[in-house]
Parts: sequence; C-alpha cells; structure tokens
Amino acid sequence: DAGITQSPRHKVTETGTPVTLRCHQTENHRYMYWYRQDPGHGLRLIHYSYGVKDTDKGEVSDGYSVSRSKTEDFLLTLESATSSQTSVYFCAISESVSGQETQYFGPGTRLLVL
Amino acid sequence: GDSVTQMEGPVTLSEEAFLTINCTYTATGYPSLFWYVQYPGEGLQLLLKATKADDKGSNKGFEATYRKETTSFHLEKGSVQVSDSAVYFCALTQGGNMLTFGGGTRLMVKP
Repeated sequence: DAGITQSPRHKVTETGTPVTLRCHQTENHRYMYWYRQDPGHGLRLIHYSYGVKDTDKGEVSDGYSVSRSKTEDFLLTLESATSSQTSVYFCAISESVSGQETQYFGPGTRLLVL
Repeated sequence: GDSVTQMEGPVTLSEEAFLTINCTYTATGYPSLFWYVQYPGEGLQLLLKATKADDKGSNKGFEATYRKETTSFHLEKGSVQVSDSAVYFCALTQGGNMLTFGGGTRLMVKP
C-alpha cells in the first residue's frame, strides 16, 4: 500500500460539464501520474508531475489539465467532459528502491460521461 | 516509440494447470520490465519486475525472465489457483517516468 487515495471513486456526469478528480498521497513522493484505462489499450499516461507546480504531458493529454499546488495532491480536470472520456482513471506515484523507480497505483475512479 | 505486446485473452485454465502469458517489447534503450495484476474492481498491483537482461523477477509463485535477445518477458506460474483469476499487464519504462503498458491479458481459472 503506497498510501494513495482517489476521490471520487465513481462519478456520473453529463457532456460539457467540468469534472475534477483528486489523487492524494501521504508519503511525500515527488512523482505522481494520471492514467486512463480502456479496454484493449491497457493504461495510457495522461499527465504527470515531478514536483509542486511542475507538470508535463503524457500520451493522451488532449482535453485534460492537471494541477499540483502541494506535494500530496494531484488534480486532474476535464474542462468540458465528452463521452470519449468515459474511462477508469488511475493515479500512481513513483518510488525509488535501490536506485530503481517503480510505480504504485491508487484504487481508481470510474467516470461515466453521458 | 516504445511498445509492449501481450497475447490476447482471455486465457482459460483449470486449477493447477501451467500458465504462460507472453509479452514482447520494442524499446530503443535498456528498459526495466514489469508485470502488474488487476483483480476485479481493484487497482493495479505490482507483481514482479526485472531491471536488466537475464534478471528473473518472482513473486507469489509467478516468474518472468528478462530476455534481451528475444525482447521478451513472459509470465509463468507452475500451478494456477482460482484466486489467480485477474487481468495481467506487462509494462516497461525507460528512466522511470513513463510506463508503457500492453493491452492486458485476462486469466480465468476454473475449479
């Protein structure tokens, strides 16, 4: 357990509405990540953060923004949700053990955009 | 770019059968390789990893060997149990910042 929580765990929203998902970690990890999981695609990286206010884009960043105003929280925002953003969203942190980075995942948020 | 290819599922086995889930990768450098497992309704859990060629990762009876010559990291278990039913993901990273995942393989073990 890497001390990662996500909220909400489930959300139903309508097309065009803004949505914010929260990832919270308790162990002061520098790196945090947002992925989406879709059938047949595994997980794909949306955005990641390498420190407070330091973020970068991943493979599928269009339509998403992120913010990290403090170490423990990494927020993912869908400015105007679309049906194609219906997915399961996972947050992850990266932990270095003997110089090797390993990512650990939160429990996920299931988002349905109607 | 980097990519990971897994055998398509579902894989259906009887309890105590031998398991192999194939994983091959394409990468320009020397990636670290991982297997993650996702049980129904849960997040991904790290199952095992290997960081250099010929390393063998192992955990809970599962094993995988990093084969650079065949760019493979196949997951094996000698005797599966019903509780092993899950989706298994192979993944790689170069430098640790971004994981590239395969599409996942669903394993169903019948009693």
